[in-house]
Amino acid sequence: AQRVTQPEKLLSVFKGAPVELKCNYSYSGSPELFWYVQYSRQRLQLLLRHISRESIKGFTADLNKGETSFHLKKPFAQEEDSAMYYCALSGRSSNYKLTFGKGTLLTVNP
Amino acid sequence: SQTIHQWPATLVQPVGSPLSLECTVEGTSNPNLYWYRQAAGRGLQLLFYSVGIGQISSEVPQNLSASRPQDRQFILSSKKLLLSDSGFYLCAWSGDARSYNEQFFGPGTRLTVL
Repeated sequence: AQRVTQPEKLLSVFKGAPVELKCNYSYSGSPELFWYVQYSRQRLQLLLRHISRESIKGFTADLNKGETSFHLKKPFAQEEDSAMYYCALSGRSSNYKLTFGKGTLLTVNP
Repeated sequence: SQTIHQWPATLVQPVGSPLSLECTVEGTSNPNLYWYRQAAGRGLQLLFYSVGIGQISSEVPQNLSASRPQDRQFILSSKKLLLSDSGFYLCAWSGDARSYNEQFFGPGTRLTVL
């Protein structure tokens, strides 16, 4: 069975500090990993996906198959990064349905 | 452009009453449609998904059901609500079965069962 683990429910950092939101997964086969974000009073939306290997709003995430991780990183956090972040997993064995982690609430303090 | 609507935005219902939540998508054809429940500290739980009209797959046993009477309409229902059905319900759509077509979420419905 596929599973996504986000060990931190809450993460608080100061503006300008580096931030890393952890995500570990369990999956048999080649997974596709995503980060979704939900800002206050906004809809849940895709932030980035591993297959694109892109940086969005200064965030990057590298798929580490050896450690089965897909941590989200940003070198200098901004107050507007405060949001709920969900790591998600998909793959052929699950008919490409998404499995979400429980989410991490990031607060960036001024 | 594509848009997804959900209504109502909030709903307060007594235990034992029926439920009908509606989701509609505009600007696309034959989308995959999904119903999730979002609970604090528990993430998003996929309840139902549909790849076409009348095709519904249930992910977890529960007191709810889903229907897709039209291509871009997805309905979440219950005949008799339970207290445990309270939560935030999200509808989403995607272009096709491949996951690299991202899922787009609606604004959600906050359901409170008293």
